Amino acid sequence: GQNIDQPTEMTATEGAIVQINCTYQTSGFNGLFWYQQHAGEAPTFLSYNVLDGLEEKGRFSSFLSRSKGYSYLLLKELQMKDSASYLCAVMDSNYQLIWGAGTKLIIKP
Amino acid sequence: ETGVTQTPRHLVMGMTNKKSLKCEQHLGHNAMYWYKQSAKKPLELMFVYNFKEQTENNSVPSRFSPECPNSSHLFLHLHTLQPEDSALYLCASSQDKQGHQNQPQHFGDGTRLSIL
Repeated sequence: GQNIDQPTEMTATEGAIVQINCTYQTSGFNGLFWYQQHAGEAPTFLSYNVLDGLEEKGRFSSFLSRSKGYSYLLLKELQMKDSASYLCAVMDSNYQLIWGAGTKLIIKP
Repeated sequence: ETGVTQTPRHLVMGMTNKKSLKCEQHLGHNAMYWYKQSAKKPLELMFVYNFKEQTENNSVPSRFSPECPNSSHLFLHLHTLQPEDSALYLCASSQDKQGHQNQPQHFGDGTRLSIL
């Protein structure tokens, strides 16, 4: 079966750095997406990786290793507004998104 | 503002009621999706429409009935629901279902559905 694993919850301090990991086992691979979802709001797109390596977008970076079935989202200079759930999703060989259950990130002052 | 609007935002209904959820996208996309989101569970894909044609139905019970009159509008008709159907129902759209791998799905804020 297809599976996406990510931690259920993480806590970090304002101003610090946090890394949210995602491992996957899917039927084929056509890219990996990270989304941010604040409570009661729509998931919003953060990043897309299809080749191995690091993609940087301001305070957020996403890394992919296809051979290891592994990705991480790195958030730097954490702000209180970064408190949200972070969803990892992989597009399989049928171009269907397989979703993880999300990681709830709690930022403390 | 994500470009995808869902109404209503909240809905409480009895098990014998019939109601409909509405989704509208202003992004010129050709693919639209219904997802179910339950607490601490992955998003569950329910239905996919590509150029108004239904391409996926992931073993969804018949008490959920989708309708896609055009590429901008998507409905989810509900009847005789069960308490376990209480969840957040999210609509999303993308440029098209395949061929544009790096075109992300854009989501609405969802309808929070509670079944009494």
